[in-house]
Amino acid sequence: DAGVTQSPTHLIKTRGQQVTLRCSPKSGHDTVSWYQQALGQGPQFIFQYYEEEERQRGNFPDRFSGHQFPNYSSELNVNALLLGDSALYLCASSLAGPLSSNQPQHFGDGTRLSIL
Amino acid sequence: GQQVMQIPQYQHVQEGEDFTTYCNSSTTLSNIQWYKQRPGGHPVFLIQLVKSGEVKKQKRLTFQFGEAKKNSSLHITATQTTDVGTYFCATPRAYKYIFGTGTRLKVLA
Repeated sequence: DAGVTQSPTHLIKTRGQQVTLRCSPKSGHDTVSWYQQALGQGPQFIFQYYEEEERQRGNFPDRFSGHQFPNYSSELNVNALLLGDSALYLCASSLAGPLSSNQPQHFGDGTRLSIL
Repeated sequence: GQQVMQIPQYQHVQEGEDFTTYCNSSTTLSNIQWYKQRPGGHPVFLIQLVKSGEVKKQKRLTFQFGEAKKNSSLHITATQTTDVGTYFCATPRAYKYIFGTGTRLKVLA
């Protein structure tokens, strides 16, 4: 039973470039959330995808966009990269359910993005 | 916006000592989840608490949800070196999850 997989594991970019990060959810999961985790900080919610739609968004600029595919996998795109975008980007999958029964999230190993 | 604070930020303990981290919110929480992140790793789900005053145990770990559902705690009895990591609480706001600031635990052998 495969868990959440993310690619690539590490990435180095320069300011102004664009990046695409990929995530495959745990088998059986249909919901994908993306988080940014700066060094020494807690994960910060970027957005969540369900049924190929962005269902909720955190406090991140429009430079951050995403997509979910029919097989539930997801991509995170970041345009016009800034030095401050350097962080660990985590993908978490879960099962959709009633809002009152928020499901545990299963995290991937993350993509460590460094901006030079 | 809603913030979830955790204290302490860091804790160093001798192996065998107990450890407690506290999670506090200014607003009532629908439920609270706890995660552990080992150094260099990713957050791993530990438990979810839903009911006011709920207490759950996992071996040496005891989790508690406050009566007013505004705070929670994680207590580890007789810490071991395998307990090293950062412990986060997290709470949902609609479909958004808000993570606490985390408590980094170091266990000295």
